[in-house]
Amino acid sequence: AIQLTQSPSSLSASVGDRVTITCRASQGISSALAWYQQKPGEAPKLLIYDASSLDSGVPSRFRGSGSGTDFTLTISSLQPEDFATYYCQQFNYYPPLYTFGQGTKLEIK
Amino acid sequence: EVQLVESGGDLVQPGGSLRVSCAGSGFSFRSYWMSWVRQAPGKGLEWVASIKQDGSDKFFVDSVKGRFSISRDNVKMSVYLQMNNLRDDDTAVYYCARGMSGSSPNDAFDMWGQGTMVTVSS
Repeated sequence: AIQLTQSPSSLSASVGDRVTITCRASQGISSALAWYQQKPGEAPKLLIYDASSLDSGVPSRFRGSGSGTDFTLTISSLQPEDFATYYCQQFNYYPPLYTFGQGTKLEIK
Repeated sequence: EVQLVESGGDLVQPGGSLRVSCAGSGFSFRSYWMSWVRQAPGKGLEWVASIKQDGSDKFFVDSVKGRFSISRDNVKMSVYLQMNNLRDDDTAVYYCARGMSGSSPNDAFDMWGQGTMVTVSS
């Protein structure tokens, strides 16, 4: 089964900082990767799909890149509302077996 | 309003059964793959099951195969997760989610419900 490993598991940053979260797949998944944001007590929210496409309404400070096994989510200038947990997810295989990374908790420094 | 709303979460004893439901509104429900994703307290996300638009294909994570079933009623715009022989480690918030494009199961989930809590405990 495909495993997704996110790094770091947690991250402290300040408003205005640029941050990067990495997601590594145990096998190549082409560009079949999504990124989600989840705030406490809320459902996950789709940010990025197909590795680099911004979902509707998502601010342009969020950027996804990568293909194959290595992917990144970059937030160019952190805003207060960006402090949350971020998950990557792969959806490459059929029958579908959607795998999530373990999450990266982004906290205020 | 375009949304998914789950219901049916409860406290259940180990070995018991429960059905949770998810009602969609504001979109063409019958056009999309639908899935269930769960999140144990303080833990990450885990995909549980998915069902094709017409119900003809269904897929499950290994840990629930033989215990859980998924179904849908496109007239009622609802998807269901029947959970049998529940175990302590099934305790989680259960979210329903919509596959993005509708053309393939290989899709991100672009819409999520608010979740319903299932607690398995004696």
